[in-house]
Amino acid sequence: NAGVTQTPKFQVLKTGQSMTLQCAQDMNHNSMYWYRQDPGMGLRLIYYSASEGTTDKGEVPNGYNVSRLNKREFSLRLESAAPSQTSVYFCASRPRQGITEAFFGQGTRLTVV
Amino acid sequence: GENVEQHPSTLSVQEGDSAVIKCTYSDSASNYFPWYKQELGKGPQLIIDIRSNVGEKKDQRIAVTLNKTAKHFSLHITETQPEDSAVYFCAATISNFGNEKLTFGTGTRLTIIP
Repeated sequence: NAGVTQTPKFQVLKTGQSMTLQCAQDMNHNSMYWYRQDPGMGLRLIYYSASEGTTDKGEVPNGYNVSRLNKREFSLRLESAAPSQTSVYFCASRPRQGITEAFFGQGTRLTVV
Repeated sequence: GENVEQHPSTLSVQEGDSAVIKCTYSDSASNYFPWYKQELGKGPQLIIDIRSNVGEKKDQRIAVTLNKTAKHFSLHITETQPEDSAVYFCAATISNFGNEKLTFGTGTRLTIIP
């Protein structure tokens, strides 16, 4: 099983450019999440989707948009990238909300110059 | 919302010794506390979890304890080995279907000294 797959793995953007981070899971999970990881700040939730067709803001949603395209795919879009969005982004999925394990992708290292 | 604090931020222990990482949480309604291990260049992976109706859980060399009254929980690794070197995250959540956010601590970088 591939689990949670993120693309791309690395990306460099210029300030003001836009891009979409892709995430797909093959475990038939209902819930999907986008986190960013910054030194000394742990993992902070950007957006999540409890089920297909629903999305909700997390702790740090400003500057991002998401789309739950179908049950498998959850994308994160940066409309106008800023240096403050330089980070490592992780997508995760869970079978459902509640007491269930979250499975993470390998991460996307994004640098905005 | 929930706030999770984690200490220490870095920890170095001699191989074979024990390591302890501590977390506190703010919301007394939180009822699920997982621990994740992140190896270099990879995503976090669950290593152990505990529910609020349990005070302690053990899995081979790893154990987690929970004190609901004090709102803190700890990860204990005994007989540490080089492969235990990684970043460890605690997390807390209220298991409330339809309105749930898994909140993570800031992480502990554990280094095992051979």
